[in-house]
Amino acid sequence: GENVEQHPSTLSVQEGDSAVIKCTYSDSASNYFPWYKQELGKRPQLIIDIRSNVGEKKDQRIAVTLNKTAKHFSLHITETQPEDSAVYFCAANRPHGSSNTGKLIFGQGTTLQVKP
Amino acid sequence: DVKVTQSSRYLVKRTGEKVFLECVQDMDHENMFWYRQDPGLGLRLIYFSYDVKMKEKGDIPEGYSVSREKKERFSLILESASTNQTSMYLCASSLLTENTEAFFGQGTRLTVV
Repeated sequence: GENVEQHPSTLSVQEGDSAVIKCTYSDSASNYFPWYKQELGKRPQLIIDIRSNVGEKKDQRIAVTLNKTAKHFSLHITETQPEDSAVYFCAANRPHGSSNTGKLIFGQGTTLQVKP
Repeated sequence: DVKVTQSSRYLVKRTGEKVFLECVQDMDHENMFWYRQDPGLGLRLIYFSYDVKMKEKGDIPEGYSVSREKKERFSLILESASTNQTSMYLCASSLLTENTEAFFGQGTRLTVV
């Protein structure tokens, strides 16, 4: 089955610096790669996602890149702010049939701390 | 606004008890999921349902079962609770359509004593 590995497990940066979180996946059928942010005591919420037909997507300070050949995808946060401090999860789907996204398999999570 | 609601925020149960965790979504989503969240292990999939009465095992189904009798409701059942099932349980739902966002419930913190 799908296996998603996420690194690093913890990341500490100074406010204004960039942060990068990397994930690898194993199932070549995966075609959807979302990133979730979970603030302390709250539910995970989608911050950005990428489909397999594009290599990069950007939304303000957040960008995601995908290398399907190498089965790698990464989250990039620029100009980090204290409110970016949270746990970040990557995920890859395991499709169900020809049109259902199917199961989402998550990485182990990265705890990002942004120091003021 | 999509709403995924879990029946309890906190639960304390005794070893050997049968435990029901309920999840309801109000957006007519076909897919529903149960995950457990443990520090350092991320979100691990217990069960997935893609339609009423249809289910698939996830990566850690042992000790759990599920029920989906209605589209909006997905129940997780611990047949005989054990202390190693103490965890945070998260329910989620998504549309059947390819590549769509999963929305999470607020989580149930289960403690088995």
